[in-house]
Amino acid sequence: EAGVTQFPSHSVIEKGQTVTLRCDPISGHDNLYWYRRVMGKEIKFLLHFVKESKQDESGMPNNRFLAERTGGTYSTLKVQPAELEDSGVYFCASSQPGTVNNEQFFGPGTRLTVL
Amino acid sequence: AQSVTQLDSQVPVFEEAPVELRCNYSSSVSVYLFWYVQYPNQGLQLLLKYLSGSTLVKGINGFEAEFNKSQTSFHLRKPSVHISDTAEYFCAVSPTGTASKLTFGTGTRLQVTL
Repeated sequence: EAGVTQFPSHSVIEKGQTVTLRCDPISGHDNLYWYRRVMGKEIKFLLHFVKESKQDESGMPNNRFLAERTGGTYSTLKVQPAELEDSGVYFCASSQPGTVNNEQFFGPGTRLTVL
Repeated sequence: AQSVTQLDSQVPVFEEAPVELRCNYSSSVSVYLFWYVQYPNQGLQLLLKYLSGSTLVKGINGFEAEFNKSQTSFHLRKPSVHISDTAEYFCAVSPTGTASKLTFGTGTRLQVTL
């Protein structure tokens, strides 16, 4: 069974540009999460989808970030326009529907560098 | 709200020596506790988790952790480390009873040398 995949693995963009990150969860996993780690700091929650609905988006830093999960399968996270402080590693995770024990499976992450 | 503290940002240790990585948490509700590991150039992998029951939890690769409710700790231990254990280790918590976000500590980088 394929794990969580993320694309691209690395992205280097100029300040003010737009970047879209993609996450493909494990097949059948209704729960999809986005996290971000800024260099040297903790991994921070961004948002949580249940199927195509946003369950919790309390961690989204501002309105420059837009997450979608059309059809309840893969998800995209768009940053527009990107700022220097958006640099970091963006992780996606998924878990099975109705998961009480909340075991989340993580992708390898996308390293975003904003110059 | 929850918070997790990993006081040791880096832990150097010789191969075959024991190691303990410390994790303390704060929460106003009951939580599940997790340890994740990130090997170089890879994603996060679950090492072990505490949900309920026995406070001593065994995970993969010979790691174990003990939940101490009175001290709000969940320290990770291994009696004898290997070079391949070199990685970054993250402690995390989430509220019980529902699928929800993980709150992570800042991570501990374990460096195993000969």
